[in-house]
Amino acid sequence: LAKTTQPISMDSYEGQEVNITCSHNNIATNDYITWYQQFPSQGPRFIIQGYKTKVTNEVASLFIPADRKSSTLSLPRVSLSDTAVYYCLVVDTDKLIFGTGTRLQVFP
Amino acid sequence: SQTIHQWPATLVQPVGSPLSLECTVEGTSNPNLYWYRQAAGRGLQLLFYSVGIGQISSEVPQNLSASRPQDRQFILSSKKLLLSDSGFYLCAWEGASSYEQYFGPGTRLTVT
Repeated sequence: LAKTTQPISMDSYEGQEVNITCSHNNIATNDYITWYQQFPSQGPRFIIQGYKTKVTNEVASLFIPADRKSSTLSLPRVSLSDTAVYYCLVVDTDKLIFGTGTRLQVFP
Repeated sequence: SQTIHQWPATLVQPVGSPLSLECTVEGTSNPNLYWYRQAAGRGLQLLFYSVGIGQISSEVPQNLSASRPQDRQFILSSKKLLLSDSGFYLCAWEGASSYEQYFGPGTRLTVT
């Protein structure tokens, strides 16, 4: 079964770009890699999803190398409201595997 | 637009008591539905998922069960709760894209 690894925590300041990487081996070759944001006492919120190379939406970018052994969520110019836990979600033989989560703290 | 409801929001139950958590989805038909559990300060653990009425797949052996009596209703149950069942229970439905999931507000269960 695939294993995922994320940094436990990261600190940043408002206005900076933050990159959070999830390492994942043995994931399905034809399934999406998905990222979620979670605030305390709330359900996770879908941020972005990609299959390969680069995907960008109005809130984030997602970079996936050709070997798909990792993915990097990029948050441009973070604000205090981006303080949350960020999870990657990958698939291995039809099993959903959430990452361990990265707690991002944004300081003023 | 689609919305997902869970109730109750919080629950305190003694060990050995039964459990029933309900999740309903509005604004979509035949969604894939999921139950997750999140222990305090931990990640999400997939418990059950369902692709249709009466179709339940279990991911983790435990004393919990799930049922889907209607298209947009997903129920999580237990006959006898354990202390280890405490946690934050989340229901989710899957959007147009695989694994693009939308989560409900959650139920915080404390087993005493």
